[in-house]
Amino acid sequence: GQQVMQIPQYQHVQEGEDFTTYCNSSTTLSNIQWYKQRPGGHPVFLIQLVKSGEVKKQKRLTFQFGEAKKNSSLHITATQTTDVGTYFCALGGTPLVFGKGTRLSVIA
Amino acid sequence: EPEVTQTPSHQVTQMGQEVILRCVPISNHLYFYWYRQILGQKVEFLVSFYNNEISEKSEIFDDQFSVERPDGSNFTLKIRSTKLEDSAMYFCASRDFNEQFFGPGTRLTVL
Repeated sequence: GQQVMQIPQYQHVQEGEDFTTYCNSSTTLSNIQWYKQRPGGHPVFLIQLVKSGEVKKQKRLTFQFGEAKKNSSLHITATQTTDVGTYFCALGGTPLVFGKGTRLSVIA
Repeated sequence: EPEVTQTPSHQVTQMGQEVILRCVPISNHLYFYWYRQILGQKVEFLVSFYNNEISEKSEIFDDQFSVERPDGSNFTLKIRSTKLEDSAMYFCASRDFNEQFFGPGTRLTVL
């Protein structure tokens, strides 16, 4: 089945620094979703990207879908302690196929 | 805001015992899912359910697992004879269009 590689596995940043996580697939994706999971919590939907080259913003979060629809990124500008958690990309569809996630820790 | 609920929040059981994990999906959703997450690992799909039947299942979802929608609101996952490696967080999710809404999960510990 389809799989997606997500890097890095861990990222430690100082509060105020930027953060980026990347997802890559060997096959063209119909769409990709991003989820955030706080420590001890459950995955919470952030966004879905569908179009080639699509860029969407949610406050300090910027999501991109590659032109070839094989990769995607999530960028957080000026991280805050509330950004702590694991960010997963997921190949959209039924069912979702999750990447391994990037665990973000923010040092105040 | 409507949400998916799951009970119990934590279940401890002995190896070989049966467990039933319960979920109440969002009321107007039609697609339901079970996922599991072993501690520190990624979320893995188990099974999807639509129109009162399984629509897709993963290789993890073997004969020890079953799902049911016994009434109009509950959605259950049964593990017939638990193994140590079944210890994980089990998430139920329901979907309207694109977005899947996850419940808070049930932490299953098999001793």
